[in-house]
Amino acid sequence: GNSVTQMEGPVTLSEEAFLTINCTYTATGYPSLFWYVQYPGEGLQLLLKATKADDKGSNKGFEATYRKETTSFHLEKGSVQVSDSAVYFCALSGQAAGNKLTFGGGTRVLVKP
Amino acid sequence: NAGVTQTPKFQVLKTGQSMTLQCAQDMNHNSMYWYRQDPGMGLRLIYYSASEGTTDKGEVPNGYNVSRLNKREFSLRLESAAPSQTSVYFCATQPGQGPYNEQFFGPGTRLTVL
Repeated sequence: GNSVTQMEGPVTLSEEAFLTINCTYTATGYPSLFWYVQYPGEGLQLLLKATKADDKGSNKGFEATYRKETTSFHLEKGSVQVSDSAVYFCALSGQAAGNKLTFGGGTRVLVKP
Repeated sequence: NAGVTQTPKFQVLKTGQSMTLQCAQDMNHNSMYWYRQDPGMGLRLIYYSASEGTTDKGEVPNGYNVSRLNKREFSLRLESAAPSQTSVYFCATQPGQGPYNEQFFGPGTRLTVL
């Protein structure tokens, strides 16, 4: 079946530092890949997505590239802010019936001033 | 537009009690989902409804039932709550069944079973 593995947190950074969160996946066929973000006390919201190999998703300074050869979708941001403190989830949507999302375990990021 | 709303926001139950979590959406989306979120485990799918009148089991359906009352509403029922069901529950919607569509999440219900 489908699975998503992402690095465990928490990740603690200083403001303006570079952030990378690793995500690798296992899936048959050609899944779509997503990063969701969950701010404290809120539900998840889509951060970015990529639907085919070599696509780069980007939003709010975050980027991730769909690498089929390494089955990865690592999230990066060049200069984080305190407001980026949140839990980040990598997810995939397969081509199976129902196109359900499979989530990684989440990575908590804490940015200190 | 309210998007996806969930009630209640918090609930404490005793073992064996029952309750229904409510979810409603005003986005006219066909698909609706119930997830539970536990520390370090991401979100796991409990049940989903691809369209009005249909429901299917997800990854962890045991101990739960669902009702797709109409296109707007999708409820999750715990008939006899157990401490293992202590979790945060999220409802989500999706416009259709295509793999490229994002899901939209409600704010969650934090449930504690004593």
